[in-house]
Amino acid sequence: RKEVEQDPGPFNVPEGATVAFNCTYSNSASQSFFWYRQDCRKEPKLLMSVYSSGNEDGRFTAQLNRASQYISLLIRDSKLSDSATYLCVVNGRDDKIIFGKGTRLHILP
Amino acid sequence: NAGVTQTPKFQVLKTGQSMTLQCAQDMNHNSMYWYRQDPGMGLRLIYYSASEGTTDKGEVPNGYNVSRLNKREFSLRLESAAPSQTSVYFCASSEWAGPYNSPLHFGNGTRLTVT
Repeated sequence: RKEVEQDPGPFNVPEGATVAFNCTYSNSASQSFFWYRQDCRKEPKLLMSVYSSGNEDGRFTAQLNRASQYISLLIRDSKLSDSATYLCVVNGRDDKIIFGKGTRLHILP
Repeated sequence: NAGVTQTPKFQVLKTGQSMTLQCAQDMNHNSMYWYRQDPGMGLRLIYYSASEGTTDKGEVPNGYNVSRLNKREFSLRLESAAPSQTSVYFCASSEWAGPYNSPLHFGNGTRLTVT
């Protein structure tokens, strides 16, 4: 099993819709979880950290399910500007930060 | 605020040439990282430095060397470039590394082509 796995997409979603991504991780001892956003040919940027109790930042909600070893990202009322690749990030074995390959999201007008 | 600064932004090398990618951060972060990103492969960790004076191998260290020059600077060296090292290289820093990692902050990247 890969350390971090994401559905590569692309997800093609109409503007205003709600979209959700999941990411699974293999290291049950992982303690740090993040979602990053990466625009084409740009550097990854932190979208939000993921906390055990779940957390929300505006239209974005992140959840952690330790029992099933996955994290999720929910985007409500999607905007054209949300089109990007979303990267799941987890600390793996030896506490090294591991990035998923990303899920591409296209918001359609 | 500069954050993480990488130089150069673009570089073309011939097979066998050497070069050093420079990275500096002004956030007083303890930990620094070098990643490469290739199509379909995602970001892969080359080397990291959890704190000044320490460096460790990541997932794909072969063909690279690093130097943590001081707390601010972390350089990546290609001694004898190969076409397989054509990639986008990102430097990143974080306040600390460990079980409860703090988020990474990235530089703008270096696009390297080896012919």
